[in-house]
Amino acid sequence: EVRLVESGGGLVKPGGSLRLSCVGSGFTFSSYTITWVRQAPGKGLEYVSSISRSSSLKYYADSGKGRFAISRDNADNSAYLQMNSLRAEDTAVYYCVKGDQRDYWGQGTPVTVSS
Amino acid sequence: QSVLTQPPSVSAAPGQKVTISCSGSNSNIGNKYVSWYQQLPGTAPKLLISKDDERASGIPDRFSGSKSGTSATLGITGLQTGDEADYYCGTWDSSLDVWVFGGGTKLTVL
Repeated sequence: EVRLVESGGGLVKPGGSLRLSCVGSGFTFSSYTITWVRQAPGKGLEYVSSISRSSSLKYYADSGKGRFAISRDNADNSAYLQMNSLRAEDTAVYYCVKGDQRDYWGQGTPVTVSS
Repeated sequence: QSVLTQPPSVSAAPGQKVTISCSGSNSNIGNKYVSWYQQLPGTAPKLLISKDDERASGIPDRFSGSKSGTSATLGITGLQTGDEADYYCGTWDSSLDVWVFGGGTKLTVL
């Protein structure tokens, strides 16, 4: 069974940092792109960032460029999203998603940016 | 403002059919595969359709996808109350180099 489990979310003050983690199981983690997608309360889905299988390619939405950094460790079946200089508008549930077809999603980890 | 355009809401009676449209451009739908996702209240999105028209594992054939030019369509037949959810289209945009989503369509089964 394919599983993606996110962690690391929480309450942080504006300007603060968080590091989200995603652990995959039930598939060959190193063979798939990993994407982070977020959903603000009551809003739609928003792409955040993607990383290729070997980490050679990394993509970011404009909203996170210069503030977010995606990485992965295939030996640990893990992907990460380092988020710095957080803003209130970054408040959302952050999902980890498998593959180029974005076929499996984790349950999400909530991030709240508030003073 | 989403790169892909979906109607905010659609509705139909149980047993009926509904279609949800997703409109884009040549840099996304026109040249890339489209996926469709279902998000039931309080849950994570689930893949319904990938590569324009391929049902994901375990998805009943009541759900179908199609594409023509720069528009894609999700069809649902034999509507059930359990189909009430938000539906999103998504694809890669080769100009923006990001995955783009539609704004989502809320399906109400009356």
